Amino acid sequence: DAGVTQSPTHLIKTRGQQVTLRCSPKSGHDTVSWYQQALGQGPQFIFQYYEEEERQRGNFPDRFSGHQFPNYSSELNVNALLLGDSALYLCASSLKGRGQETQYFGPGTRLLVL
Amino acid sequence: DQQVKQNSPSLSVQEGRISILNCDYTNSMFDYFLWYKKYPAEGPTFLISISSIKDKNEDGRFTVFLNKSAKHLSLHIVPSQPGDSAVYFCAASATGAGSYQLTFGKGTKLSVIP
Repeated sequence: DAGVTQSPTHLIKTRGQQVTLRCSPKSGHDTVSWYQQALGQGPQFIFQYYEEEERQRGNFPDRFSGHQFPNYSSELNVNALLLGDSALYLCASSLKGRGQETQYFGPGTRLLVL
Repeated sequence: DQQVKQNSPSLSVQEGRISILNCDYTNSMFDYFLWYKKYPAEGPTFLISISSIKDKNEDGRFTVFLNKSAKHLSLHIVPSQPGDSAVYFCAASATGAGSYQLTFGKGTKLSVIP
């Protein structure tokens, strides 16, 4: 049973550049959420995708955008990178249902902006 | 404004003894609570969850207790093992209010001493 996978594992970019991170959900899951984890902090919710639409969004600027594909995989795009965007980016998948959904996380992509 | 607080940044416990990790929340709309364990260079691993309609949930060595009136939950690990050494995150969601994002605490680093 394949878990959540993310690529790449590490990435170095410079200020002003754009980056795309990728996520494949756990087998059988149809919902993907993205989180940003800064050093010493808990993960912060960016947004969630279901049925190829953004279902919910956290308090992040429009520079952060995403996409979900028909096979449920997802991309996170960040434009005009800032030094403060350096963080661990986590993808989590879940199965939409009534009530509570447990989210399962991938290993993350560590982004360094210089 | 932190809605989920883990006030102990670190905890040391002797192997075989009980580990108790605490978490407080302020948002009364939260109705689903989860604990995740995180090793360095890995994504958070789901441990155990509890719905607000329950006050206790048990899974092997892990038990989560919820005190809604105090807005407090705790994770008990008995007996503690050296492999339990990791950062533990408490998370909450307000699914009854239509929110599926997880709000995390800052984490507690557990060290189990052999």
